[in-house]
Amino acid sequence: EPEVTQTPSHQVTQMGQEVILRCVPISNHLYFYWYRQILGQKVEFLVSFYNNEISEKSEIFDDQFSVERPDGSNFTLKIRSTKLEDSAMYFCASVANTGELFFGEGSRLTVL
Amino acid sequence: TQLLEQSPQFLSIQEGENLTVYCNSSSVFSSLQWYRQEPGEGPVLLVTVVTGGEVKKLKRLTFQFGDARKDSSLHITAAQPGDTGLYLCAGGWQGGSEKLVFGKGTKLTVNP
Repeated sequence: EPEVTQTPSHQVTQMGQEVILRCVPISNHLYFYWYRQILGQKVEFLVSFYNNEISEKSEIFDDQFSVERPDGSNFTLKIRSTKLEDSAMYFCASVANTGELFFGEGSRLTVL
Repeated sequence: TQLLEQSPQFLSIQEGENLTVYCNSSSVFSSLQWYRQEPGEGPVLLVTVVTGGEVKKLKRLTFQFGDARKDSSLHITAAQPGDTGLYLCAGGWQGGSEKLVFGKGTKLTVNP
């Protein structure tokens, strides 16, 4: 069964460092998303991406964040200068024609 | 800000018992989705309801969307230890972008 895959599964970084989280969405899906979940809190929408551009973003998705689909398969989330409060699980998701959202298993980011 | 409130936040029951968890909002959604999330994994879609008053059954799970499309419930009959997990509701809007607003979830523990 096709699935959304994310790497790395866990990344530890120092505050101020750049981080890139990678996702391979399901191949025939057209919409891609990043969500995050701070430990013990709700899953929060960050950004949606369609046709090689951002279609919607939340207040959380400030200038420190960017997304890219560099090669037609990978979908990346970059955090330019990480802060302690960026520590969270980051989930990539893609949407099937049925409207069903498929989530990856997440990348845990720990900022020290 | 659209908020989805889930209750109860925690629920611990014995195997064989029935339970209902609730998802309430002051906002109207075009769809309401229920997910189950295991520790360290991404949410997995259980069901999507789109019509006010709609009832969907998935084996021992019954999902209902309120008539006004502002609330939903999940009822589990004869709960089993395998039902243990975090149950999340998420509200969505039409428009092609699946920006979902998630509740904080109900953490269910079914004891053998």
